[in-house]
Amino acid sequence: GPKVLQIPSHQIIDMGQMVTLNCDPVSNHLYFYWYKQILGQQMEFLVNFYNGKVMEKSKLFKDQFSVERPDGSYFTLKIQPTALEDSAVYFCASSPRQGQNTLYFGAGTRLSVL
Amino acid sequence: QQQVRQSSQSLTVWEGETAILNCSYENSAFDYFPWYQQFPGEGPALLIAIRSVSDKKEDGRFTIFFNKREKNLSLHIKDSQPGDSATYFCAQKKGGRALIFGTGTTVSVSP
Repeated sequence: GPKVLQIPSHQIIDMGQMVTLNCDPVSNHLYFYWYKQILGQQMEFLVNFYNGKVMEKSKLFKDQFSVERPDGSYFTLKIQPTALEDSAVYFCASSPRQGQNTLYFGAGTRLSVL
Repeated sequence: QQQVRQSSQSLTVWEGETAILNCSYENSAFDYFPWYQQFPGEGPALLIAIRSVSDKKEDGRFTIFFNKREKNLSLHIKDSQPGDSATYFCAQKKGGRALIFGTGTTVSVSP
């Protein structure tokens, strides 16, 4: 099936540093999402993004978070500065069009903030 | 976020049995209810889904039973196999809005 790639699979950084998580969505998809999962538990919605804009975000999407997809390249999640509670697995997902209900997820990036 | 609750955090069944996973939701405005399957080290993947106009959806060994009046649904895994061992997330969605996941149920199928 369609593949979403996330790079890297694991990132370790010191608290207060900036981190950028990269996502290569399915090539013809237009809608992009980030989710946060702690310890294999609930998948928590962070943000969705379309046509260069944030369409919807949750209260977990703090001011330190930002997303962008410059010129059709990677869809990125930037956290600046990081905090200990940002340690989690971050999943990127994409879907082809508005109202398309199926989201295709990557394998996740495990972020460890020390 | 609107709550989607899954009644069991974990479930163990024997190979060949039917696993039943339960889910409830709060907001009847949501009209699409997928179940996602997640294996360790992987992202979730769509397993089966139902729209609120239906009360049953079947796909091979997997069946969703949906009760709109009670605001609950269940996933039945018939003839469970060891390869079905995974975490299953009930979710809800409406239109272009975000997909909201439940808390997840980890299923272990013992041979």
